[in-house]
Amino acid sequence: DAGVTQSPTHLIKTRGQQVTLRCSPISGHKSVSWYQQVLGQGPQFIFQYYEKEERGRGNFPDRFSARQFPNYSSELNVNALLLGDSALYLCASSRDKNYGYTFGSGTRLTVV
Amino acid sequence: GQQVMQIPQYQHVQEGEDFTTYCNSSTTLSNIQWYKQRPGGHPVFLIQLVKSGEVKKQKRLTFQFGEAKKNSSLHITATQTTDVGTYFCAGPGSGNTGKLIFGQGTTLQVKP
Repeated sequence: DAGVTQSPTHLIKTRGQQVTLRCSPISGHKSVSWYQQVLGQGPQFIFQYYEKEERGRGNFPDRFSARQFPNYSSELNVNALLLGDSALYLCASSRDKNYGYTFGSGTRLTVV
Repeated sequence: GQQVMQIPQYQHVQEGEDFTTYCNSSTTLSNIQWYKQRPGGHPVFLIQLVKSGEVKKQKRLTFQFGEAKKNSSLHITATQTTDVGTYFCAGPGSGNTGKLIFGQGTTLQVKP
């Protein structure tokens, strides 16, 4: 079985630009979560989607948005990029809330 | 707000020595999860503890969940160089949001 796949793996963007990150969960997993991890810190929750509905949102500005598609894949969009948005963006999927999360390898975003 | 804290932040041990990391939550948790992140990698799910006072073992790793379900520990016996990485504990946020709150992690270095 393929794990959680994320694309692209690395990305360099300029301040003010917009970026779209993509994630495909493990087959059969209906829940997709997005996390931001800054170097030296634990992952910070951005969103969770379950059955295409937003289930939860972390303490991130409205520049961050996401959606989940009928095949359960997901996109994370960040508008008006700031230098501080530079981080590893992780996608995770789970069978349901009673199971641990499987993380993808992440997208390393650098904003210059 | 709800917080999960870990100590120590860093630990350097000689190969063969034991290692313990401690996790404390500001609120009672329904469960606690542990993840390991290798340098340059992504978090990998290790285990989930649910019951008060629960103890689970995975080979040389022993996980405990406190009686009050507010603290947890991970103990590694006779460390090996393959144990190098950052160990995170994570607990669910309040409400049915799917949010996981991660500690800041304990980074383990093992000298051969």
